[in-house]
Amino acid sequence: GNSVTQMEGPVTLSEEAFLTINCTYTATGYPSLFWYVQYPGEGLQLLLKATKADDKGSNKGFEATYRKETTSFHLEKGSVQVSDSAVYFCALRDLTGGGNKLTFGTGTQLKVEL
Amino acid sequence: KAGVTQTPRYLIKTRGQQVTLSCSPISGHRSVSWYQQTPGQGLQFLFEYFSETQRNKGNFPGRFSGRQFSNSRSEMNVSTLELGDSALYLCASSLEAGVTEAFFGQGTRLTVV
Repeated sequence: GNSVTQMEGPVTLSEEAFLTINCTYTATGYPSLFWYVQYPGEGLQLLLKATKADDKGSNKGFEATYRKETTSFHLEKGSVQVSDSAVYFCALRDLTGGGNKLTFGTGTQLKVEL
Repeated sequence: KAGVTQTPRYLIKTRGQQVTLSCSPISGHRSVSWYQQTPGQGLQFLFEYFSETQRNKGNFPGRFSGRQFSNSRSEMNVSTLELGDSALYLCASSLEAGVTEAFFGQGTRLTVV
């Protein structure tokens, strides 16, 4: 079956530090990949997506590249801000059989300090 | 354009009761999915509805059910509530099947006492 593995948190960084959150996946088909962010007390917001191998998704300074050879979709940001503190979820959607079911990783909490 | 609206935002119920949660998708979106989020199990897929038909179902007991109306609004129902049903229930809407992203509501926080 499909699965997503994320690095354990929490990740604590100083403002302006470089961020990497690792994500690897297992899927039976050719999935689309997503990063979602969740702020305290809120639902999930789509951060970025990639739909095929070698695609790079980017938004608000965050980037992730769909690497089929390593089945990875690591999230990066060159300079984090305190406002980036949140929980980040990697997810995949496998369209085999149709439907919009998302499979999520366990989430990685990011804390950015001044 | 209004986002995904879930009502109510917070709910407290007693064991053994039943509960109905509501989700209004983004206008024009026909796919609605439901997820349960708990600290122990993370985000788990409950079911998906498309054009009033259940298209996918997760691994939850029959106490969890849902439906979708002709205007794409969806409800989910949990009967005979258990303490372990306490969770954040999230609804997501998508325009169509395929490579369209899912947009989430703010969720309904259900507490079972």
